[in-house]
Amino acid sequence: AQSVSQHNHHVILSEAASLELGCNYSYGGTVNLFWYVQYPGQHLQLLLKYFSGDPLVKGIKGFEAEFIKSKFSFNLRKPSVQWSDTAEYFCAVSGRSQGNLIFGKGTKLSVKP
Amino acid sequence: NAGVTQTPKFRVLKTGQSMTLLCAQDMNHEYMYWYRQDPGMGLRLIHYSVGEGTTAKGEVPDGYNVSRLKKQNFLLGLESAAPSQTSVYFCASSAPVLVRSQYFGPGTRLLVL
Repeated sequence: AQSVSQHNHHVILSEAASLELGCNYSYGGTVNLFWYVQYPGQHLQLLLKYFSGDPLVKGIKGFEAEFIKSKFSFNLRKPSVQWSDTAEYFCAVSGRSQGNLIFGKGTKLSVKP
Repeated sequence: NAGVTQTPKFRVLKTGQSMTLLCAQDMNHEYMYWYRQDPGMGLRLIHYSVGEGTTAKGEVPDGYNVSRLKKQNFLLGLESAAPSQTSVYFCASSAPVLVRSQYFGPGTRLLVL
């Protein structure tokens, strides 16, 4: 079955700490991978996406993610978080030939000032 | 360019009442989607549409109906609301290209008493 697993339900960090959020997927065939962010009370916004080429993709606000095909993983990273990064982060996958996204359950990030 | 808009922003219904949520996009996207977001569950696809006049079921379609009479609009109907349909509903749209990044609306918060 197609699925996305985000291992951490809630992550609490202090400002300037490094961040890594795990994402593993189960999907047959070629995939597109996404990370979305949802700030409190707001809608989802695209952080970054991978579809081919360099497995290390850079997104907005200093975020990056690495696609490791052998591990079916697409982990999100940021070297130094800020209080304004407090949000919920969703990993999602879609097949190359169809656009429906399958979302993980989300990871809530709280950054202490 | 408003992107994706949703009406209403918030609604309270009594069990058994009906209502329609409206989603509109001005990006000329072919594909449109309705999701529901529940705590700890991530986003789950209710219905989607790959073009005007076409709709298809997603992961959790029961209790909902949709219509796509115009390309820019995607309506989600609840015929007889139930407390289990208390949720936040998000609409999204995407273009039919290889990497179909979805653009999300601001959400409709629905409470069914």
